[in-house]
Amino acid sequence: NAGVTQTPKFQVLKTGQSMTLQCAQDMNHNSMYWYRQDPGMGLRLIYYSASEGTTDKGEVPNGYNVSRLNKREFSLRLESAAPSQTSVYFCASIGGGAFLDTEAFFGQGTRLTVV
Amino acid sequence: AQSVTQLGSHVSVSEGALVLLRCNYSSSVPPYLFWYVQYPNQGLQLLLKYTSAATLVKGINGFEAEFKKSETSFHLTKPSAHMSDAAEYFCAVSGGNNFNKFYFGSGTKLNVKP
Repeated sequence: NAGVTQTPKFQVLKTGQSMTLQCAQDMNHNSMYWYRQDPGMGLRLIYYSASEGTTDKGEVPNGYNVSRLNKREFSLRLESAAPSQTSVYFCASIGGGAFLDTEAFFGQGTRLTVV
Repeated sequence: AQSVTQLGSHVSVSEGALVLLRCNYSSSVPPYLFWYVQYPNQGLQLLLKYTSAATLVKGINGFEAEFKKSETSFHLTKPSAHMSDAAEYFCAVSGGNNFNKFYFGSGTKLNVKP
């Protein structure tokens, strides 16, 4: 049981480049989330998807787009990377499985540096 | 809407001493509350959760937390700190429905001194 898988684990981008962070979960969860973690600021919600086919903005959506490709996959795209987007990005999923999970399950994170 | 406040970005205790990490929440609906731990360069791992059953919740690694509605608090405690407890701890709140947003506090780094 892999849980939540994020790729890549590390990435360095130049300012203005684009990239997509991939996330997949195998727990049949309805909801999926993208967070960014910065020192002293905890985890801030970028976007979330309450169910397949829906996406909504979180606290810090500017500069990002998302796609809920299917129930398993939720990708985060940076169209034109900026140094302020240097962060650790976490994908999470919640609920809807056989055990009606209430807690968030996290991937291992993607460390992104924009130079 | 929900939000979480963690008091103290850094807490330092001696090995064997009581650990107390503070979390206060605000929520417009009966909340679900969680504590997560993050070890360096790793993802977040669930320590324990409150989902409207018993107000005293026991988690992994000897941690527990008590839901106090009157104080809107969900503080994390452990009677005796171990060196391996050194990590960052996050309190989180959700509305309990798996369609709700899941909000985190800013985190508390726990340092354990020998």
